[in-house]
Amino acid sequence: EAGVAQSPRYKIIEKRQSVAFWCNPISGHATLYWYQQILGQGPKLLIQFQNNGVVDDSQLPKDRFSAERLKGVDSTLKIQPAKLEDSAVYLCASSLLILAVGGTDTQYFGPGTRLTVL
Amino acid sequence: AQKVTQAQTEISVVEKEDVTLDCVYETRDTTYYLFWYKQPPSGELVFLIRRNSFDEQNEISGRYSWNFQKSTSSFNFTITASQVVDSAVYFCALSEPRGSNYKLTFGKGTLLTVNP
Repeated sequence: EAGVAQSPRYKIIEKRQSVAFWCNPISGHATLYWYQQILGQGPKLLIQFQNNGVVDDSQLPKDRFSAERLKGVDSTLKIQPAKLEDSAVYLCASSLLILAVGGTDTQYFGPGTRLTVL
Repeated sequence: AQKVTQAQTEISVVEKEDVTLDCVYETRDTTYYLFWYKQPPSGELVFLIRRNSFDEQNEISGRYSWNFQKSTSSFNFTITASQVVDSAVYFCALSEPRGSNYKLTFGKGTLLTVNP
């Protein structure tokens, strides 16, 4: 079974430029997550989708970050304009079950996109 | 608020040594889930184990074992007879189900280096 796919793997841009990341989750996984991992820290959730609806985007800097999951499969995360502090690894994860109250599910992660903002 | 503490920032051992990675968590809920993930140099987070708060049985999987103690809010991870391929950053994470929000709260990770 194919894992979570992400592209590009690396991206270098200058501040104030725009950038977009793409994620293809594991086939059949209803829930998709985007995380930001700054060097030396654990991943931090940016946004969570269930099918094509947003479940949680409370930690997404909405003035510059946006994400969408059209058709409930692939997802893109965009930063516009980028700042120096956006330099990080952006991880996409997916989980199988549609979430229900009182339950949880295991998230499987992609290889990430390493963004460097100069 | 939930919180995960991995006090060991870096650990270095020699191959075949046993090593324990510590994880302490904070939560107000009685229902929660604990995870361990491995992040090798390639960057991908690899799922290792999930435990729910009602199952305190220790688990062993090959050279890996996990010790869950609710009394001390700890979920420690032991690698027996470590190997060079075990070198990675290991993350402990906590999930509390709240409606449809299941975000993981990660610790800062422990960098394990296994030297030949």
